[in-house]
Amino acid sequence: GQQLNQSPQSMFIQEGEDVSMNCTSSSIFNTWLWYKQDPGEGPVLLIALYKAGELTSNGRLTAQFGITRKDSFLNISASIPSDVGIYFCAGQLSTGSARQLTFGSGTQLTVLP
Amino acid sequence: ETGVTQSPTHLIKTRGQQVTLRCSSQSGHNTVSWYQQALGQGPQFIFQYYREEENGRGNFPPRFSGLQFPNYSSELNVNALELDDSALYLCASSFQGAYEQYFGPGTRLTVT
Repeated sequence: GQQLNQSPQSMFIQEGEDVSMNCTSSSIFNTWLWYKQDPGEGPVLLIALYKAGELTSNGRLTAQFGITRKDSFLNISASIPSDVGIYFCAGQLSTGSARQLTFGSGTQLTVLP
Repeated sequence: ETGVTQSPTHLIKTRGQQVTLRCSSQSGHNTVSWYQQALGQGPQFIFQYYREEENGRGNFPPRFSGLQFPNYSSELNVNALELDDSALYLCASSFQGAYEQYFGPGTRLTVT
């Protein structure tokens, strides 16, 4: 089963507001990835984090890899309507040569006009 | 650059039947991973293929099997379908050893 706790489960925000979501794990991960999934589509990679403490931005998105390697957060600034969707965190271990992703249960984001 | 493609987009099967789903990896990628996404949940890792061999497997029974072909495309086969197999099946491609995985649009399987 899944090992990641992602919160909040859902969020309703006004357009222009900032939003923050996070993931925690009982396991240490080597890499954290954040994806966005729209209805009927596959997840789209937003940000990848490779080192503990790393802070990375991609436009209005900022994500951090926690120092303990057991958590990560994603911030979205100045939200717009197209930010609506489900955001997933994913942690990655190296099992031999395989790079399997363990996903959180997702944060459903709704942006109100 | 061509992204990950999957076929079919939707499929309806009856319990006990067998199904084959197909995936073409993004150009240049040599590794394919398959995930099952139940409604309202995050994707769960089924297995990964590299050099036409299974390279890692999640907690799925043997009736879930796969193939990878020399052109890096892949198939997911599920035998003896159960109602709980109804889900979105996602394929992701990557370079071997790379951390980033890029997903296709998925195949929606409904088992009745």
